[in-house]
Amino acid sequence: QVQLAESGGGVVQPGRSLTLSCAPSGFTFDIYGVHWVRQAPGKGLEWVATISYDATETHYADSVKGRFTISRDNRDKVLFLHMNSLRGEDTAVYYCARDRGVRQLWVIEFWGQGTSVTVSS
Amino acid sequence: EIVMTQSPATLSVSPGERATLSCRAGQSVGNNLAWYQQKPGQAPRLLIYSAATRATGIPDRFSGRGSGTDFTLTISSLQSEDFAVYYCHQFSSWPLTFGGGTRVAIK
Repeated sequence: QVQLAESGGGVVQPGRSLTLSCAPSGFTFDIYGVHWVRQAPGKGLEWVATISYDATETHYADSVKGRFTISRDNRDKVLFLHMNSLRGEDTAVYYCARDRGVRQLWVIEFWGQGTSVTVSS
Repeated sequence: EIVMTQSPATLSVSPGERATLSCRAGQSVGNNLAWYQQKPGQAPRLLIYSAATRATGIPDRFSGRGSGTDFTLTISSLQSEDFAVYYCHQFSSWPLTFGGGTRVAIK
């Protein structure tokens, strides 16, 4: 079955960097777009970034544009979120999620269990 | 950015009763609307996409309606496992946005 396993979360000081990874299994990774969505403690869902199946298309929330970079390695089957200049408001559980569309971006379907990022001095 | 507004924030319902959740988009999203269920400590689960299509494995007591700016999610007869937070989500245009959620609580 489809699984997405996030890793790389932790506690980081404001202004520092962190990279999250997501390891997919149970499906052909290189034909699906993937997303990062975050959830601050006690709050709702906030979309962060999306990358198309072939990495030719990326999109970012305004709140992270210029600071975060989404990337993927289809040969090694891994998704990344490189986060720079971290702020307190970036504190959240970060979910990796797979799109439903094959070779097209459509709707977020499957979600990982999330990895927690805390930005604090 | 398309703002998604969900109401009510909390809905108290008895098991076996019907629950109707609302979601309004700040501008038309066509039928590019999804609903997710999230239980405490768990990841969200896709229930409905394209406004009215049930995702794989979702029971038929869940149904979605609407198009344009006004959408509803109906749970026809609430089961104990349905008490959770529900989010609507538009995938019509970038940036993708979610509603603030409706908590369905036991009455």
